[in-house]
Amino acid sequence: DQQVKQNSPSLSVQEGRISILNCDYTNSMFDYFLWYKKYPAEGPTFLISISSIKDKNEDGRFTVFLNKSAKHLSLHIVPSQPGDSAVYFCAASAAFFMGLTFGEGTQLTVNP
Amino acid sequence: SQTIHQWPATLVQPVGSPLSLECTVEGTSNPNLYWYRQAAGRGLQLLFYSVGIGQISSEVPQNLSASRPQDRQFILSSKKLLLSDSGFYLCAWRPLRGTASSYEQYFGPGTRLTVT
Repeated sequence: DQQVKQNSPSLSVQEGRISILNCDYTNSMFDYFLWYKKYPAEGPTFLISISSIKDKNEDGRFTVFLNKSAKHLSLHIVPSQPGDSAVYFCAASAAFFMGLTFGEGTQLTVNP
Repeated sequence: SQTIHQWPATLVQPVGSPLSLECTVEGTSNPNLYWYRQAAGRGLQLLFYSVGIGQISSEVPQNLSASRPQDRQFILSSKKLLLSDSGFYLCAWRPLRGTASSYEQYFGPGTRLTVT
């Protein structure tokens, strides 16, 4: 039962353009959502998060949008840079002390 | 500042051998601790979490166990490894911030386990 889904295994964009990574979830109990960036053979790095009481959160070049009715969230990176090339994971949680449920990740490649 | 350590970084073990992976956190007290596993080409799967010394919650029935003998130490173990235990094992911690608790978890560098 895949409760968090990232349907695009890969995404390729040009440097300077916008990258949009998408994530869908099925569990209505999730109330907090996070995005992580991961390089091979390293632990994930926290990027940005959003509570279910909000629909948008910004941090520099990164913006996360949440559509609760559609059970959908997205990460926008503007402008995209070659250093952004990595695997991006969407994650969700139903309680602050519990573990995170991760999607399968999207490989982002930003071409110079 | 807080840091999280995991060792060993890589491990190759034969089927049927025991396993012990260790995770320690520095610079914080009473963190929530987590073990995840990432199989090749997949997302991260939560294995265990702990909210305090001696308290372990298991998410997935399997060949593994976890223990928390000290506040900032989290150990993942197995008595007999299976081929399917191969993967990238990640420890994470979550800070307690009083009533304004944060959901963000911070990950260690991981251990690459290959069972042969």
